[in-house]
Amino acid sequence: EAQVTQNPRYLITVTGKKLTVTCSQNMNHEYMSWYRQDPGLGLRQIYYSMNVEVTDKGDVPEGYKVSRKEKRNFPLILESPSPNQTSLYFCASRPGQFLTEAFFGQGTRLTVV
Amino acid sequence: DAKTTQPTSMDCAEGRAANLPCNHSTISGNEYVYWYRQIHSQGPQYIIHGLKNNETNEMASLIITEDRKSSTLILPHATLRDTAVYYCIVRGQGGKLIFGQGTELSVKP
Repeated sequence: EAQVTQNPRYLITVTGKKLTVTCSQNMNHEYMSWYRQDPGLGLRQIYYSMNVEVTDKGDVPEGYKVSRKEKRNFPLILESPSPNQTSLYFCASRPGQFLTEAFFGQGTRLTVV
Repeated sequence: DAKTTQPTSMDCAEGRAANLPCNHSTISGNEYVYWYRQIHSQGPQYIIHGLKNNETNEMASLIITEDRKSSTLILPHATLRDTAVYYCIVRGQGGKLIFGQGTELSVKP
């Protein structure tokens, strides 16, 4: 089954403790991205990757890092989480930059206290 | 990037057609219109997309006006499971999907 898998689904952590949210897709897609969703602000892109070893900033990249060492995986790294990074995070993938259907993961609800 | 404008919320009776409008008056000639939906904090789900012509798939129909300044997503026989937030998106620079606030559709028995 074609899917994007995020882990963990829920996470509560403390300020400053490094964490990684994993994202994996089984569709051999080139394009992957991370979004965060906050009430009243909608979905905003954090980072995206057009292929292995190619990543770029989205609209709200501050406080986040990503890597794309393999095509299937696109982890989101918070080196020093802060409470304003409490949010619902989604990973997405699609075949290419200009190709159509994007597949989204089920989301990771992160709380930073 | 072209912006989209959608009503904040709509109601629809179960079994009836749900018609969700979207304005995108600044769309450029080669920009596609996409529709996604999000059911209660799950990941957004792709529905349909189009450029100029009307499109239909197993989920919905998309009607785009001739001047391309607006479009309508039609769910022909809405069910309770279609209750969701529906996003109309014009693909931005670099292929980015820019999500607005969407329309919260409530399908009522």
